Amino acid sequence: SAVISQKPSRDICQRGTSLTIQCQVDSQVTMMFWYRQQPGQSLTLIATANQGSEATYESGFVIDKFPISRPNLTFSTLTVSNMSPEDSSIYLCSVAGSTEQFFGPGTRLTVL
Amino acid sequence: GIQVEQSPPDLILQEGANSTLRCNFSDSVNNLQWFHQNPWGQLINLFYIPSGTKQNGRLSATTVATERYSLLYISSSQTTDSGVYFCAPRGNSKLTFGKGITLSVRP
Repeated sequence: SAVISQKPSRDICQRGTSLTIQCQVDSQVTMMFWYRQQPGQSLTLIATANQGSEATYESGFVIDKFPISRPNLTFSTLTVSNMSPEDSSIYLCSVAGSTEQFFGPGTRLTVL
Repeated sequence: GIQVEQSPPDLILQEGANSTLRCNFSDSVNNLQWFHQNPWGQLINLFYIPSGTKQNGRLSATTVATERYSLLYISSSQTTDSGVYFCAPRGNSKLTFGKGITLSVRP
């Protein structure tokens, strides 16, 4: 199984600012994903981070709001831009193994 | 996309009790995972089970793909089993999460 770390683990931000979340994996992986979990809700896929090309976003998520970088096969970043209180969520990075997906510990974001 | 329904939505158990959590899904799948989200938010892989039955200690899972459901069995529950249990089938390349089952195990 992959070992995934995320930074920061939590943050409190002011509305209108941006936060970049980092995801580091201990091995090279082809597919990386970013999920959002709003308070008391399930996980929703934001986008698939592709190495060497633009991320693929799910319906309801746009690049201007959630820009993603994937500079190599072990690292990705998600930026939450121009934040509002509705962006308060846990953001999780995930990678696909040969059969299973594994998740990082998450970044708990509170926007005031 | 795939529709996922988990039941019951909430469950309270006395420590030592057994329980069955159910996941129904609307379409054919080639992968299904069960996760436990602990009170600190960490998602823990429990089972990868596209079909058949697997056991891991006090937990076991069964998926009947032809009838589009999966079951997670918890035996001799412990307080550390508390949290949210998610079922996540995958039809194409994306996992689709159910709403989860919130389990509270009381000492």
